[in-house]
Amino acid sequence: EVQLVQSGAEVKKPGESLKISCKVSGSTFTNYWIGWVRQMPGKGLEWMGIIYPGDSDTRYSPSFQGQVTISADKSITTAYLQWSSLKASDTAMYYCVISQTLYSFDYWGQGTLVPVSS
Amino acid sequence: QSALTQPASVSGSPGQSITISCTGTSSDVGGYNYVSWYQQHPGNAPKLMIYDVTNRPSGVSNRFSGSKSGNTASLTISGLQAEDEADYYCSSYTTSSTVLFGGGTKLTVL
Repeated sequence: EVQLVQSGAEVKKPGESLKISCKVSGSTFTNYWIGWVRQMPGKGLEWMGIIYPGDSDTRYSPSFQGQVTISADKSITTAYLQWSSLKASDTAMYYCVISQTLYSFDYWGQGTLVPVSS
Repeated sequence: QSALTQPASVSGSPGQSITISCTGTSSDVGGYNYVSWYQQHPGNAPKLMIYDVTNRPSGVSNRFSGSKSGNTASLTISGLQAEDEADYYCSSYTTSSTVLFGGGTKLTVL
């Protein structure tokens, strides 16, 4: 069975950098798309972007292009989402997702909570 | 890109059927048969319920069904049960090679 295990909650201050991770097991890592979805407190789901580890093809939502970086390390079947300078408005739960097709998300990680506050 | 449009809330009594709509444009919902639906219970990660407009993943009850007409997709839940009370989100592939979610619909089982 496919499992996505995300890194733990991170309390950060505005301006700090952050890289959260998503460890994938139970599937052929390079044959799936791995994406990230944001959910701000009390709000809906927002697709941030996605990567195909097989060839590193990466797509971003226009809303998140330039704001975050998505990457993957095939050797340890782990995907990453990183920020160079966090803002308070980045406070949210972040879910990693796995997809065979790019556009429907078969499995979800448990979420990583990122509170950003001074 | 604006979110797909869903009603903020719907409700129904146990045993009844409800339908949640998801309206987009010809650049997303209307342009592809790549609409998915997700169920999210409070405090939990979302779960895929429908993909490619009408298909159910293994293990999802056949009380859940999907359809599409033009730029509007729909999720129907028949034989409503208390456990169906949750938030539901639609999503669609777009001509920009990205994915758009709907704003979400809160289903209340009366």
